[in-house]
Amino acid sequence: AQTVTQSQPEMSVQEAETVTLSCTYDTSESDYYLFWYKQPPSRQMILVIRQEAYKQQNATENRFSVNFQKAAKSFSLKISDSQLGDAAMYFCAYSDAGKSTFGDGTTLTVKP
Amino acid sequence: DAGVIQSPRHEVTEMGQEVTLRCKPISGHDYLFWYRQTMMRGLELLIYFNNNVPIDDSGMPEDRFSAKMPNASFSTLKIQPSEPRDSAVYFCASSLAGLGMNTEAFFGQGTRLTVV
Repeated sequence: AQTVTQSQPEMSVQEAETVTLSCTYDTSESDYYLFWYKQPPSRQMILVIRQEAYKQQNATENRFSVNFQKAAKSFSLKISDSQLGDAAMYFCAYSDAGKSTFGDGTTLTVKP
Repeated sequence: DAGVIQSPRHEVTEMGQEVTLRCKPISGHDYLFWYRQTMMRGLELLIYFNNNVPIDDSGMPEDRFSAKMPNASFSTLKIQPSEPRDSAVYFCASSLAGLGMNTEAFFGQGTRLTVV
């Protein structure tokens, strides 16, 4: 079975600085998707960024980028120029053929 | 599309009562998932359906929990009888199927259940 591990329950960053959230996963599949979701206090789950496993290029969405290391099964999220609105819980997720598996989440605090 | 719609947003019930949570997935999505979120256990997959058929219910905690998907546009998660330890936020999500397709899960806003 696929598993997703987020080893950092909590992280904090100073406003305007950069922070990296780590995620590792385990799978025997070669074709799959990886995602980072953000859950603010409103608890709405919001997709931040996605990565297709067959693409070597790391995905980027504005201030959000990933470091995807397929051989190491690692998928970290980098948030640049952190903003107060980035404060939330972040979930890493793995998906193949539709079913998603989530990590336990990392709570990010942004300090002004 | 309005996205995944869950109802109610909040539910407070007394221990022993039956609770029914509802979900309307995004039209055209093949998969529907029910998740439970608690501080202790994080986000847990309870059950998921593919084309209205339950595929994996191994995450359902006990027989008090049941889920149905009578058609492609509606699903329910029922707890009978409810217990205080069932208090959590329950999410419904839907996604498209198949390798090579964008399989992002779209979440509803969740139902916060409190059992007193």
